[in-house]
Amino acid sequence: NAGVTQTPKFQVLKTGQSMTLQCAQDMNHNSMYWYRQDPGMGLRLIYYSASEGTTDKGEVPNGYNVSRLNKREFSLRLESAAPSQTSVYFCASSGGTSGSFSGANVLTFGAGSRLTVL
Amino acid sequence: GIQVEQSPPDLILQEGANSTLRCNFSDSVNNLQWFHQNPWGQLINLFYIPSGTKQNGRLSATTVATERYSLLYISSSQTTDSGVYFCAVGRGAGNQFYFGTGTSLTVIP
Repeated sequence: NAGVTQTPKFQVLKTGQSMTLQCAQDMNHNSMYWYRQDPGMGLRLIYYSASEGTTDKGEVPNGYNVSRLNKREFSLRLESAAPSQTSVYFCASSGGTSGSFSGANVLTFGAGSRLTVL
Repeated sequence: GIQVEQSPPDLILQEGANSTLRCNFSDSVNNLQWFHQNPWGQLINLFYIPSGTKQNGRLSATTVATERYSLLYISSSQTTDSGVYFCAVGRGAGNQFYFGTGTSLTVIP
């Protein structure tokens, strides 16, 4: 079991370039998330998908778009990268669905993707 | 969103010492988890603990949901415990999770 797999692990972009971060999970989880981590600020939610076919904005969605391609895959796109988007990006998944309060709502994280925008 | 505050922000311990990390949150939640981020950046779930007390080896956690706080106890600390400890809380539909800014722990031999 690979768990949550993110690609790429490292990327350097120039201002204005676009790119897509890919995330896939093999745990049959319903919910998937994209977070960014900046020094001293913990993890902040960018977008999430409570179930296949739905996506919602988190705390810091500006400058990003997402696609829940199927139950396994959830991608994050930067259309026009800016230096403020330099960060470490984490994808995560959990087993719960909207309204579910079970213990299956444990978050499992990918290894992270370090993005630098020059 | 829900505000999550963790304390202390930084902690340095001698190997073998005990410590208590605290997480306060601003609203009622139905999901609370503790994570350890190791020096390589990997985030590992330690506890799912929306209420009550759990223990796993040298680590234990207690959440008092009615008073909106959780505590993580580390006993007989080891150098491998170093890293950043995060508390994350969630509530309602879609199970959004809000993270605190973490406690950075350094255990010295």
